[in-house]
Amino acid sequence: KNQVEQSPQSLIILEGKNCTLQCNYTVSPFSNLRWYKQDTGRGPVSLTIMTFSENTKSNGRYTATLDADTKQSSLHITASQLSDSASYICVVSSPGYSSASKIIFGSGTRLSIRP
Amino acid sequence: DAGVTQSPTHLIKTRGQQVTLRCSPKSGHDTVSWYQQALGQGPQFIFQYYEEEERQRGNFPDRFSGHQFPNYSSELNVNALLLGDSALYLCASSSGTADEQFFGPGTRLTVL
Repeated sequence: KNQVEQSPQSLIILEGKNCTLQCNYTVSPFSNLRWYKQDTGRGPVSLTIMTFSENTKSNGRYTATLDADTKQSSLHITASQLSDSASYICVVSSPGYSSASKIIFGSGTRLSIRP
Repeated sequence: DAGVTQSPTHLIKTRGQQVTLRCSPKSGHDTVSWYQQALGQGPQFIFQYYEEEERQRGNFPDRFSGHQFPNYSSELNVNALLLGDSALYLCASSSGTADEQFFGPGTRLTVL
């Protein structure tokens, strides 16, 4: 069964600290993996996308890594800011985008930044 | 260039009622997908519309139906509302064969 599992479920860190969020998946075949940021009550916004051949991608203070062999990804946030408080969702897609059901969402990690 | 827009922002209904949610896709996009997101969970795929036809459907009952108009905007209809239908409903648009979806701000539905 295609699944995307994220850990931890929730995380609280102090402003200015770094953190790493994890994503493990069993989706096969694999097309790409995205990390989304979702503010409370809002729609998700894409942070990064990685294909099979990419093992790292950065977007400002966000750096995503991908190990396609172990089917694991991480999202590292550097020098956290209060505005980083949000849910971070890992999404894995299979080839054949015409089938939207091949996009599998994780349940997200709820990150809270404390001043 | 407006992104994906959804209306209304919030909605309160009672059990057994019917509701219609609306979505306008990002300019240039022709595909609309609908998702249900319960509190603390990831989005669950409801269905996708392309060329005014339902192209794919997730594991949702027939009480959930939709429509896409010639201008690519879309509606999600839910009949005989249950308490468990309370959720954030997200609309995402994309371009035909393109891989990236852009999400709207969502409609928060509360069923009492």
